Amino acid sequence: DIQMTQSPSSLSASVGDRVTITCRASQSISNYLNWYQQKPGKAPKILISAASTLRSGVPSSFSGSGSGTEFALTISSLQPEDFATYFCQQSYSTPYTFGQGTTLEI
Amino acid sequence: QVQLVQSGAEVKKPGASVKVSCKASGFTFTRYGMHWVRQAPGQSLEWMGWINPGNGYSKYSQRFQGRVTITRDTAASTAYMELSSLTSEDTAVYYCARDFYVSGPEYYMDVWGTGTTVTVSS
Repeated sequence: DIQMTQSPSSLSASVGDRVTITCRASQSISNYLNWYQQKPGKAPKILISAASTLRSGVPSSFSGSGSGTEFALTISSLQPEDFATYFCQQSYSTPYTFGQGTTLEI
Repeated sequence: QVQLVQSGAEVKKPGASVKVSCKASGFTFTRYGMHWVRQAPGQSLEWMGWINPGNGYSKYSQRFQGRVTITRDTAASTAYMELSSLTSEDTAVYYCARDFYVSGPEYYMDVWGTGTTVTVSS
């Protein structure tokens, strides 16, 4: 199975900050990497697919980068609604595995 | 609108089985694969398996092989996930999620179900 490792596990930040979350795959997954946002008590929501494609309706303050084994999700200017947990997920091979999550806290 | 509505919360005893349903609306059920993903309290997401509702072909995570069965009823536009031999480790929220494939790496879960809480307790 491909292991996905996110860092940090949690991150304290303020509105307006620029933050970056990283995700590392245990083997090369090309750009078969998705990012999801999850708020408490809610289902995850797709933000970015194929490492860098912003999904419809997602603010342009979100961006993704990387390929191979190293990936990053950047939020250029944090808004109050961005405080949530973020997961990376590889869609390269089954079982499709997720990172352990990064919780953004105020 | 496109949505996936899941069945209600379940409480089961260890050793029992649970069957969760996921009713699709707003899109052609047979044209999209369906994943099942679970999330234990305070934990990350775990992929369990997937079904092609068009032909019924399913694929499972080895971690659940032999314990999980994913099926579908095309007339009811509903997918099902049954998990057997439950233990307390299976206490989690179970989600169905629609499979969206464009081409190559553009492959993700674009619509998620309402979630079903399964509690396993004696």
